[in-house]
Amino acid sequence: NAGVTQTPKFQVLKTGQSMTLQCAQDMNHEYMSWYRQDPGMGLRLIHYSVGAGITDQGEVPNGYNVSRSTTEDFPLRLLSAAPSQTSVYFCASRTIQGVGTEAFFGQGTRLTVV
Amino acid sequence: DAKTTQPNSMESNEEEPVHLPCNHSTISGTDYIHWYRQLPSQGPEYVIHGLTSNVNNRMASLAIAEDRKSSTLILHRATLRDAAVYYCILRGGGYSGGSNYKLTFGKGTLLTVNP
Repeated sequence: NAGVTQTPKFQVLKTGQSMTLQCAQDMNHEYMSWYRQDPGMGLRLIHYSVGAGITDQGEVPNGYNVSRSTTEDFPLRLLSAAPSQTSVYFCASRTIQGVGTEAFFGQGTRLTVV
Repeated sequence: DAKTTQPNSMESNEEEPVHLPCNHSTISGTDYIHWYRQLPSQGPEYVIHGLTSNVNNRMASLAIAEDRKSSTLILHRATLRDAAVYYCILRGGGYSGGSNYKLTFGKGTLLTVNP
């Protein structure tokens, strides 16, 4: 069972470049989300989705776009990277069946914008 | 979202029990108490959750105060692999368009385990 897979693991971008962080899960989970984690901080929610075709903003959505065309995939797009987006990005998924279900996290993508 | 308060850091010795406290005085009746931990350079992983009663699983125990305004995560015998940041998170029960499924992370408690 692969769980939640994020690619790439590391990325260096120049200011203004665009890129897509990939997230895939094989557990048929309805709910998927993206977080960023800055040094010494907890995770902050960027965007989330409760199913294919449905997305919504989290706490820090500016500068990021998402789409959910399939249950399995939830890519995060940076349209014009800025140094302030240097961070570690985590994707998570969970089922919405039941209340206390656990979330599964990927291993993270470490992004540096220079 | 109801807020949780945890100590910034705690220290333990290997093979000894560890009690990680969490205060959540504004918890609502439908909020579940979740604990996650984040090992160095990894994504968070689920540890345990509960609503009112104490809970046990293979990783830990969760003791919930009778008034639910605080809880304690108990690691019965700490190992070096338990060194991590532990997050106490409240999540609302029920479904309301997806907002109840988000996890709001604070800074957590950094647990150091000494050999």
